[in-house]
Amino acid sequence: EAQVTQNPRYLITVTGKKLTVTCSQNMNHEYMSWYRQDPGLGLRQIYYSMNVEVTDKGDVPEGYKVSRKEKRNFPLILESPSPNQTSLYFCASSLWPNQPQHFGDGTRLSIL
Amino acid sequence: AQSVSQHNHHVILSEAASLELGCNYSYGGTVNLFWYVQYPGQHLQLLLKYFSGDPLVKGIKGFEAEFIKSKFSFNLRKPSVQWSDTAEYFCAGRDNNDMRFGAGTRLTVKP
Repeated sequence: EAQVTQNPRYLITVTGKKLTVTCSQNMNHEYMSWYRQDPGLGLRQIYYSMNVEVTDKGDVPEGYKVSRKEKRNFPLILESPSPNQTSLYFCASSLWPNQPQHFGDGTRLSIL
Repeated sequence: AQSVSQHNHHVILSEAASLELGCNYSYGGTVNLFWYVQYPGQHLQLLLKYFSGDPLVKGIKGFEAEFIKSKFSFNLRKPSVQWSDTAEYFCAGRDNNDMRFGAGTRLTVKP
């Protein structure tokens, strides 16, 4: 089954404690991206990746890092999380940037 | 910066009413436009997309959208909504290699 898998689904943690949210897709897609969803703001793109070792900033990259060492994986890293990063995060992938994206089920992060 | 805007934050309709959700974009060049739906507690799913050609595009579940270049609009329509259409709807557009989403419109359909 074609899917985008995110882990964990839920995480409560404290300010400053490094965390990683994993994302994996099994569709051999070139393009992957991370979004955060906040009430009244819709989805805002954090980072995206066109291919292995190629990543670029989206609209709200501050405080986040990503890596794309393999085509299927695109982890999101919060080196020093802060409360303003409390949000619902979605990973998505598509064959090419202009194609419809497949979304993961989301990760709800709470930073205390 | 390029942007996508949705006019309505929350729309409440009765079953069988007609639906139109507004979406405007500010892109100047080639546009790829999308509507996604997010049912409660679920991830986003594609409803329909427009790349080129016929400006009236049909999607799943009876939804359609019309691309009007002169108005920079891509409104979503459905002639008769059902209770199961209760969800949040997002318009999105491609700006070079990144996607931009509108703030979303929450649709509540009363049985």
